[in-house]
Amino acid sequence: GAGVSQSPSNKVTEKGKDVELRCDPISGHTALYWYRQSLGQGLEFLIYFQGNSAPDKSGLPSDRFSAERTGGSVSTLTIQRTQQEDSAVYLCASSPRTLTYNEQFFGPGTRLTVL
Amino acid sequence: RKEVEQDPGPFNVPEGATVAFNCTYSNSASQSFFWYRQDCRKEPKLLMSVYSSGNEDGRFTAQLNRASQYISLLIRDSKLSDSATYLCVVNGVDSWGKFQFGAGTQVVVTP
Repeated sequence: GAGVSQSPSNKVTEKGKDVELRCDPISGHTALYWYRQSLGQGLEFLIYFQGNSAPDKSGLPSDRFSAERTGGSVSTLTIQRTQQEDSAVYLCASSPRTLTYNEQFFGPGTRLTVL
Repeated sequence: RKEVEQDPGPFNVPEGATVAFNCTYSNSASQSFFWYRQDCRKEPKLLMSVYSSGNEDGRFTAQLNRASQYISLLIRDSKLSDSATYLCVVNGVDSWGKFQFGAGTQVVVTP
């Protein structure tokens, strides 16, 4: 079946512009996660959704970052007034998140470059 | 102290040899444990889930030691294709829905 998809795969933007990143989770997966990974670094948790609600937004770096999820499916991560330090790979993962099965499956990521 | 800690390596392993490495976690209430592999400039891919005391999948064996709060991964008969960064992931450290990732252990299998 189809895996997690993300778009765009690459995004180059100018400092100060807004960007929107999209994630399509695996069908039926109730949980959705956003992470970012800078070059040579580990994964940094940003936010997760259970259904359409976000119980944990603690990882969002600043109020320039926001995310939403609609219909329990697609999620968008928006970064306003981008800064050069926002350059990273943004990874989305989804999980069926049942009591016995809560593995995460990752999309290919969006590589964001802020000039 | 980090919630999940791993030896960054690299572990340089001759082809055909066995390599093992650990991951320690700080919260004894952690619920589930996973190993992912990540190739350069690629997304993490699930390698193994670690339930109960551990499990085995082909050449890979994962073990969980709750008393000492670590999980281990052992790779037997290493292949060149096993070269990757192995990420330890722990769920339920500070909230059930959130996963904590280790920084990864790099394994390099040499001919």
